[in-house]
Amino acid sequence: ETGVTQSPTHLIKTRGQQVTLRCSSQSGHNTVSWYQQALGQGPQFIFQYYREEENGRGNFPPRFSGLQFPNYSSELNVNALELDDSALYLCASSLEGQGHYEQYFGPGTRLTVT
Amino acid sequence: RKEVEQDPGPFNVPEGATVAFNCTYSNSASQSFFWYRQDCRKEPKLLMSVYSSGNEDGRFTAQLNRASQYISLLIRDSKLSDSATYLCVVNMEGGSYIPTFGRGTSLIVHP
Repeated sequence: ETGVTQSPTHLIKTRGQQVTLRCSSQSGHNTVSWYQQALGQGPQFIFQYYREEENGRGNFPPRFSGLQFPNYSSELNVNALELDDSALYLCASSLEGQGHYEQYFGPGTRLTVT
Repeated sequence: RKEVEQDPGPFNVPEGATVAFNCTYSNSASQSFFWYRQDCRKEPKLLMSVYSSGNEDGRFTAQLNRASQYISLLIRDSKLSDSATYLCVVNMEGGSYIPTFGRGTSLIVHP
């Protein structure tokens, strides 16, 4: 069984730039959720994709957007990067939409905005 | 009041001790609950789901108290390897899906 993978592992960007982060879900999972985790905080829910549709969204501005592909992999796009966007970005996959099923996290992408 | 609150600790306990963490939540419509473990600079890993009847997995016991809106995690016979941050997550379902994590409770088990 293939676990959740994310790329890249680390990224350094400049304020105002755009970034795309990628996630491959665990084999058999059709749902991907994205989280932002600042140092010393719990993960903050950005959004979830279930069968290629956005299925829920947290309190993040529209410059955070996403996609899910037919193979259930997903992308997180962030436009107009701000210094406060520096964080660990985690994706998690699960078997079905909503939250009843357990989520399995990837190793994360550490984004630094300078 | 935050939607999900945890005492950040750290809880500093000797090997073999029993330690308990609580996690309170504000939304009574919350329907599913989990505990995750996160090691330093690693991703969260699922520890256990939390059911109304309570559930146990080896040295770990999770309880849900809907009336008082909290979940708990009890660790018996603490091991050095239990040192980590323990995150609770509360999901509200059936409409807008917004899983909410607590900020985590740090546990340090020392010899």
